[in-house]
Amino acid sequence: KAGVTQTPRYLIKTRGQQVTLSCSPISGHRSVSWYQQTPGQGLQFLFEYFSETQRNKGNFPGRFSGRQFSNSRSEMNVSTLELGDSALYLCASSLGDRATGELFFGEGSRLTVL
Amino acid sequence: TQLLEQSPQFLSIQEGENLTVYCNSSSVFSSLQWYRQEPGEGPVLLVTVVTGGEVKKLKRLTFQFGDARKDSSLHITAAQPGDTGLYLCAGATNNAGKSTFGDGTTLTVKP
Repeated sequence: KAGVTQTPRYLIKTRGQQVTLSCSPISGHRSVSWYQQTPGQGLQFLFEYFSETQRNKGNFPGRFSGRQFSNSRSEMNVSTLELGDSALYLCASSLGDRATGELFFGEGSRLTVL
Repeated sequence: TQLLEQSPQFLSIQEGENLTVYCNSSSVFSSLQWYRQEPGEGPVLLVTVVTGGEVKKLKRLTFQFGDARKDSSLHITAAQPGDTGLYLCAGATNNAGKSTFGDGTTLTVKP
């Protein structure tokens, strides 16, 4: 079955702009999580959505937001971009069973802020 | 705050050598995963360990979960250039609803 699809793969923005990233999970997966990956900080948890509800949230400012649609597809938005937001943004889907913790990642969206 | 510490951070070895990567925490996890990530791609799940003391083998890779479910190790036998990549451990708890990732071990296997 198809894997996790993230779009766009690459994008360049300037400071102050906003960006929306999209994620289509594996069919049948109801949980979508977002992570930010940078060389200095590793993978940092942004938030998790399950059945259109934000179930968990990491320690990121309010400029970072997300949502999930009824078909489990998810979007995340970053407003008022800062240079430090340059990173690889990874989306991961799972069945939603918290006991296993298994995540299936997309290839990521590489954001560069100039 | 749950933290996972991986060591070593970087590892460069010759083809055919053995290696072990460690993942340690002071927290107890319900399960622990190991992922491998190649440049420009997302992490790929290698294995999940759930039971304290559990050992799983995946071809030349052996994964072990500590008895107290706080630590894990990944051992690679006779490493090959295709094993090159970033190895990440991640711990999950039933109540957290999120995974905590280690900083990763960058492995380079030279032919």
